[in-house]
Amino acid sequence: AAGVIQSPRHLIKEKRETATLKCYPIPRHDTVYWYQQGPGQDPQFLISFYEKMQSDKGSIPDRFSAQQFSDYHSELNMSSLELGDSALYFCASSPTGTSTNNEQFFGPGTRLTVL
Amino acid sequence: GIQVEQSPPDLILQEGANSTLRCNFSDSVNNLQWFHQNPWGQLINLFYIPSGTKQNGRLSATTVATERYSLLYISSSQTTDSGVYFCAVENTNAGKSTFGDGTTLTVKP
Repeated sequence: AAGVIQSPRHLIKEKRETATLKCYPIPRHDTVYWYQQGPGQDPQFLISFYEKMQSDKGSIPDRFSAQQFSDYHSELNMSSLELGDSALYFCASSPTGTSTNNEQFFGPGTRLTVL
Repeated sequence: GIQVEQSPPDLILQEGANSTLRCNFSDSVNNLQWFHQNPWGQLINLFYIPSGTKQNGRLSATTVATERYSLLYISSSQTTDSGVYFCAVENTNAGKSTFGDGTTLTVKP
């Protein structure tokens, strides 16, 4: 079965650089979520999109922005990178963001290292 | 926001032993999931269980929504069961999940 695809899988950047993470949800899933997992931490919700509109926002820094495109893929843009942004970034998708059944399926993650 | 507490934080088992992991949450939830994060960082769906009981092989889970807790049972544990087990709940209808701190399981051969 198709799963959530994330690219790149690994990314190394310098401080103050920018990064773009991409997420391709499971086909027919219209909701995408982004999570950040620091070393030894649990995943923390950043932002979500339903039908290309932002549906919820968590602890996402102002330096980060995201969007969902017409084909439902999503991109997380990160600017002015800081050492503390080094983390595993997960994308998850679910079949719908407004029903009571929104089981989330997670991608393999993008491991971002900021030097 | 909703609080999610998992216990125990760490668990060491001998291969073949059984275990029970607990997840308590502070408010009513729409959804609850259990995940296994393997040593490579992948989050693997184990159960989607906002209420009731489910079983999948050696694993089973029970959620008692009215009492705000869920249990994950692992029987006849194997070394490949090692990793971190997360409980994640959702209670906002917007879909975002709040994770517990996880239980780190180590199964020794």
